[in-house]
Amino acid sequence: EIVLTQSPGTLSLSPGDRATLSCRASQSVSGSYLAWYQQKPGQAPRLLIYGASSRATDIPDRFSGSGSGTDFTLTISRLEPEDSAVYYCHHYGGSHTFGGGTKVEIK
Amino acid sequence: QLQLQESGPGLVKPSETLSLTCTVSGGSISRSSYYWGWIRQPPGKGLEWIGSIYYTGSTSYIPSLKSRVTISADTSKNQFSLKLTSVTAADTAVYYCAKIGLFYYMDVWGKGTTVTVSS
Repeated sequence: EIVLTQSPGTLSLSPGDRATLSCRASQSVSGSYLAWYQQKPGQAPRLLIYGASSRATDIPDRFSGSGSGTDFTLTISRLEPEDSAVYYCHHYGGSHTFGGGTKVEIK
Repeated sequence: QLQLQESGPGLVKPSETLSLTCTVSGGSISRSSYYWGWIRQPPGKGLEWIGSIYYTGSTSYIPSLKSRVTISADTSKNQFSLKLTSVTAADTAVYYCAKIGLFYYMDVWGKGTTVTVSS
């Protein structure tokens, strides 16, 4: 069973900063099946990135994904106040697995 | 525009069966190449995939819940359902239904429904 470990647990940054979120898999995985979601309090998760680097519909270009093998990254290039949320990585490899999440706080 | 909506009791007694339905509008659950899934989130915790059903009717479940879970579909009503037997307080969570696309990402979600297990 693949385990996804996200770091850091919490990221506290200012508007305009760059946020770098990490998702590390316990074994090499296919980037085709690696996705990122944003979840705001009281809301359902929203798909941001699929296939490791493809932005979902209507997702601003300040969100980008990269990586391969065991290391994947979600980058938010210029933080906006509305980016305050918890971000989850997700992988499918016969079964669906989510990382534990990274909380992004905007100062 | 595809929309999903969960429905079902918000309170279930311990040892009883949790039953939820996801009603899909704006598209057919019979459409090929899509899966339809259930995901839950205990209070203050992360996301956990429960299981999925393919448009053909085949199902897959997380191993830890497999003995207690059944996911089924009613194509005439464009709905799919979740049954979880012998619930305990550990099953208290927000339950989401979602459409799972070609590369297994969840691209459309319902708003979620809170289920509390308590006597």
